[in-house]
Amino acid sequence: EAQVTQNPRYLITVTGKKLTVTCSQNMNHEYMSWYRQDPGLGLRQIYYSMNVEVTDKGDVPEGYKVSRKEKRNFPLILESPSPNQTSLYFCASSQGDTQYFGPGTRLTVL
Amino acid sequence: AQKVTQAQTEISVVEKEDVTLDCVYETRDTTYYLFWYKQPPSGELVFLIRRNSFDEQNEISGRYSWNFQKSTSSFNFTITASQVVDSAVYFCALSAWETSGSRLTFGEGTQLTVNP
Repeated sequence: EAQVTQNPRYLITVTGKKLTVTCSQNMNHEYMSWYRQDPGLGLRQIYYSMNVEVTDKGDVPEGYKVSRKEKRNFPLILESPSPNQTSLYFCASSQGDTQYFGPGTRLTVL
Repeated sequence: AQKVTQAQTEISVVEKEDVTLDCVYETRDTTYYLFWYKQPPSGELVFLIRRNSFDEQNEISGRYSWNFQKSTSSFNFTITASQVVDSAVYFCALSAWETSGSRLTFGEGTQLTVNP
């Protein structure tokens, strides 16, 4: 089944404790991206990757890092999480114009 | 810069009513794509439709229909004979290749509640 997977789905952590949210797709898509969703703000892009080893900032990249060492994986790294990064995170992939989203990761930073 | 406006924050209807969700967009690009996504209470984002800027034909898929009007920069979504399962947040989104590549600019979403 073609899909985008994210792990973990839910995470509660404390300020400053490094964490990684994994994202994997099995559709051989070149383009992958991360979004965060916050009430009243809709979804905003954090980072994106056009292909392996090619990443770039989206609209709200501060406090996040990404890497794209393999085509299928695009992890999101929060090296020192803060409470304002409490949000619902979505990974997406696309080949062409339509982005398909993972199930979301709900992150709470205390 | 791109912008998508969904002026209706919340809509509540009774089952079997028709409902239209409004979407107005702004872009300077001549080539762009418009999307609708559905986010049910379970939280995932479900792709519904994509429309490119050169195709103004309206589209119907079952109870769903979409009206794209370039003259008014609108891409409205109508659900006919709404059902309780249609209750969700609906997002309109835009991608404009010339200025932002594949980045999706989302509206703030419309929470649709269909009551039995």
